[in-house]
Amino acid sequence: QVQLVQSGAEVRKPGSSVKVSCKTSGGTFGSYGLNWVRQAPGQGLEWMGGIIPVIGTANYAQSFQGRVTITADESSDTVYMELSSLRSEDTAVYYCARSTGPLGFDYWGQGTLVSVSS
Amino acid sequence: DIQMTQSPSSLSASVGDRVTITCRASQSISSFLNWYQQKPGKAPKLLIHAASTLQSGVPSRFSGSGSGTEFTLTISSLQPEDFGSYYCQQSYDTLMYTFGQGTKLEIK
Repeated sequence: QVQLVQSGAEVRKPGSSVKVSCKTSGGTFGSYGLNWVRQAPGQGLEWMGGIIPVIGTANYAQSFQGRVTITADESSDTVYMELSSLRSEDTAVYYCARSTGPLGFDYWGQGTLVSVSS
Repeated sequence: DIQMTQSPSSLSASVGDRVTITCRASQSISSFLNWYQQKPGKAPKLLIHAASTLQSGVPSRFSGSGSGTEFTLTISSLQPEDFGSYYCQQSYDTLMYTFGQGTKLEIK
């Protein structure tokens, strides 16, 4: 059974960075895409970027370019998302999700709440 | 980027009603369109991929149709457990996925 388990809630001050992890199990880690999607309070879903671990290169949404870094550690089947220069508008739930190319995001993590406040 | 536009942004319907949600893409995406359901406080759940293919375990009252730039999600007979938000997503460009803004479905 495929599972994606994310790290716990984080509180950060404006201008700082946060790194969220997503540990996968039950599947072939390297060959699927792993993506990060965020959802601000009361808002919709926003794709941030993704990576296929066996390829290693990440792709990012335009709105996050330069602020987000997605990496994968094949030794621990874990994907990371680091967001820098945090501002209050980055307060959101961040989800990791597995993609199978064009067939959608079939497995999701439980979500990680990141709160940014001074 | 491919822009996805959903309508309506919210709707209220009664149990047993037929409900339709529309999603439009800013360019042709063939049939690379997925639908998700999200309940409050939960992660989204993939309902339909490739415009019309139901994920395993999804009730048959859900169906999807369309190709090119216009797509629909239909619930043939609304059930109480179908409340929540629904999102479309294009997967034509797998280097830059995009979601629609969502439709909030309430049960009258």
